[in-house]
Amino acid sequence: DTAVSQTPKYLVTQMGNDKSIKCEQNLGHDTMYWYKQDSKKFLKIMFSYNNKELIINETVPNRFSPKSPDKAHLNLHINSLELGDSAVYFCASSQLGAGNTGELFFGEGSRLTVL
Amino acid sequence: AQSVTQLDSQVPVFEEAPVELRCNYSSSVSVYLFWYVQYPNQGLQLLLKYLSGSTLVKSINGFEAEFNKSQTSFHLRKPSVHISDTAEYFCAVIELGGTSYGKLTFGQGTILTVHP
Repeated sequence: DTAVSQTPKYLVTQMGNDKSIKCEQNLGHDTMYWYKQDSKKFLKIMFSYNNKELIINETVPNRFSPKSPDKAHLNLHINSLELGDSAVYFCASSQLGAGNTGELFFGEGSRLTVL
Repeated sequence: AQSVTQLDSQVPVFEEAPVELRCNYSSSVSVYLFWYVQYPNQGLQLLLKYLSGSTLVKSINGFEAEFNKSQTSFHLRKPSVHISDTAEYFCAVIELGGTSYGKLTFGQGTILTVHP
């Protein structure tokens, strides 16, 4: 069983379109994340949800909207896609709180290409 | 807020040579430290972590890292590398409190290339 799974793995779309990436974790963790890895491989956190509540919201355009229907799922919806949105988006999960390390478990990534 | 600096963007070495990938961090509170590895076209995998206790931590595939609090460093080393170690390595830190709680911050990554 894949611990953190993302779909789709590859996504090619035109500028101006709206797209979604889905993420699910079966580790029983209480916290999920979206990271963006740009063409230079730099990893930057975008959002984090803890028990379905938004706890980290970095400076991200409001075209990006995360949604967490339950603590095992965190989806990312992107409106009006731009060329600069092309990147690999990684979902991750962790268990926070006393006694936990906060170690992140990553999905395999979703490569978004905007033409 | 914490930050992580990996001092080398690329490190080329020959097979069986030793290697050190450098990482420095800054934080005003206690931290946990991690090294992740990313093989081409794959996600990130945890290589090793420092939480507390012994400052020298080891992975199952021969890597080790030493936490140095006074120098705020967490350098990664391997005494003899293999071709299969070719990958990108990311140092990361998570603060144990403050406004950045729960946020894992990554360094810029170091590409390790092992040549035959």
